[in-house]
Amino acid sequence: EADIYQTPRYLVIGTGKKITLECSQTMGHDKMYWYQQDPGMELHLIHYSYGVNSTEKGDLSSESTVSRIRTEHFPLTLESARPSHTSQYLCASSESAGWNEQFFGPGTRLTVL
Amino acid sequence: AQKVTQAQTEISVVEKEDVTLDCVYETRDTTYYLFWYKQPPSGELVFLIRRNSFDEQNEISGRYSWNFQKSTSSFNFTITASQVVDSAVYFCALSEAGTYKYIFGTGTRLKVLA
Repeated sequence: EADIYQTPRYLVIGTGKKITLECSQTMGHDKMYWYQQDPGMELHLIHYSYGVNSTEKGDLSSESTVSRIRTEHFPLTLESARPSHTSQYLCASSESAGWNEQFFGPGTRLTVL
Repeated sequence: AQKVTQAQTEISVVEKEDVTLDCVYETRDTTYYLFWYKQPPSGELVFLIRRNSFDEQNEISGRYSWNFQKSTSSFNFTITASQVVDSAVYFCALSEAGTYKYIFGTGTRLKVLA
């Protein structure tokens, strides 16, 4: 059973605030990903990680940062939220090879006022 | 370059109709993997199927079937006797061997009307 969790599910916050979106998985997967998606639209990869202490930026430029101190945890941080950051953020994980499907969390819907 | 094209932005059908969602991909690798995901209104992407480039056998799972044709670089998805619960956005994705990246199409929004 795939288990990947994201908190919070919904977040409304004012401009300039620092926020951290949490993502955890219990499957022991090496690879983890963050995508940004406007609802029902294209997914944009913003960060990924091969494993502990390994993080890379994705295709879409993002002002967010990530860390991977533990295999199961891959938080995303925005130092200063802006209205342009309003979107849905999806976390995913997969086993090492490209053969394996990604498992997605339920997403965090962020609104920055 | 890798690319996945889902030319159908939105499809509406009446319940019990059959519907096919198209997916065309581009890759230079000989070893690659194709996926379909469903994103219902709740927002979470759900994995439906994967195929590797060496296995062109079509697959059927209940009302769902997939047609993989390397000659046309297509991996189409058919829902037979559609139901309202099939209403969702469907994404096709490509991954090449040894890579971290999954390339997603832009998605097809399927609306099944009662």
